[in-house]
This record gives sequence, C-alpha cells and structure tokens, in this order.
Amino acid sequence: DAKTTQPTSMDCAEGRAANLPCNHSTISGNEYVYWYRQIHSQGPQYIIHGLKNNETNEMASLIITEDRKSSTLILPHATLRDTAVYYCIVRATFSGSARQLTFGSGTQLTVLP
Amino acid sequence: GAGVSQSPSNKVTEKGKDVELRCDPISGHTALYWYRQSLGQGLEFLIYFQGNSAPDKSGLPSDRFSAERTGGSVSTLTIQRTQQEDSAVYLCASSPEGASGGRPSYNEQFFGPGTRLTVL
Repeated sequence: DAKTTQPTSMDCAEGRAANLPCNHSTISGNEYVYWYRQIHSQGPQYIIHGLKNNETNEMASLIITEDRKSSTLILPHATLRDTAVYYCIVRATFSGSARQLTFGSGTQLTVLP
Repeated sequence: GAGVSQSPSNKVTEKGKDVELRCDPISGHTALYWYRQSLGQGLEFLIYFQGNSAPDKSGLPSDRFSAERTGGSVSTLTIQRTQQEDSAVYLCASSPEGASGGRPSYNEQFFGPGTRLTVL
C-alpha cells in the first residue's frame, strides 16, 4: 500500500470548513484513497473514499488532484463533534485475502468554539 | 440502520481468567474483522472472517486467543488465561466486501464501539 503523509494537527473554527490534506505521491493506478476518523474513546469511523473523481456524501467531500498524488478531505461545516484524528489511507481492492486496515499517525483535528 | 454492536462495553477480569467478547456485525456484511487497540496506539489486526472461507488467524498474538463466527453472523473472541498485557480495547468491524450492489468494498469497514478489557 502506498505511503501517505498528513499534517500532525490542525485547528478549525466551529461552523467553518475544515480542509484536511493528504499526500500520496506513490499511489498506483488501482489504489483508492480512503478516509477514516477516530473520535476519542470510540472505534474508527469510515468517512469516504474515491479513485480519481471527486466524491461527496453526507459526511464530507473528497477532492483528488488530477495526478492523484494528493487529496483533501473537506468537512463543510465543522462542529465540535468533528474533533478527532483523521486518517488518510491508500489501498487497492483485492479479493480473497484479509484487507486489515493499518492507520498511520493521522491528523488531529480540533474544532474550536 | 443498526450498526455493529459489541458486548460487553467494559470488562474487568482477573489475571488467569477466560473472557468472551461478542460482536454483532451489520446484517448482510460478509466480512468480519477483530482488532485491538492499546491506549494511544494504532490498530492491531487479530483475525478476519469472510463468508464460509477459513478465517485468517495470522494476527492472533498467541494460542490463548481464538474466535469463531457462527452462521456467518455473530462472532465471539475468546481469550483464555488472560494476562495483563491483554488489556486493550477490542474492536470488531464488518464490511460488505462485494455484498454492496456487486461492487467490491473491501476497505469500507464499519466498526463497533469496542470492548474495553482490563486485566488486573
């Protein structure tokens, strides 16, 4: 799996958009970009994933650059409950074997009142 | 809809005792994972079930750990003769992995709230 690089921490004002960057310059053609988050004392939560097109769901938007070497997770209106560690991972889709998740250090997003 | 549930939410046990942790995955999800997470640490993979295939047990740390999944749904993780180093949050995740409209979703894993195990 390709390596990802994320800032260690970010702050965001409540109600503003939170833009979390991720670099994955060694991504290969069959690898997707996935985002998870982990709120303190809770299990990880799947947010969104994409291959090359921008994606949007009820939680967030994912913007992937044309060369696919970086992406940005956007929380359009951050709330205090969005304070969490956000993990960007790059994974291919295989069949027949365990695809256990491995998280890097992630970005600690703190939403400030 | 209902998410992944785990029970108990907290378990305190004495060293040497056996414990059983339960996971109810999302209905229709064919894949089920067990992980554990020590305080401030990342996820440690334990075991993976996919349909009727033999489970991938490559992450189990010792033979004191075992897991089963009955009827392709509920799973139980058993730890025998618990040790203090077994203290952690045990997380279960399920994944549709092909059950979602035919598109493989191997990396969309939906986690339960975890069981916090404390071995005294």
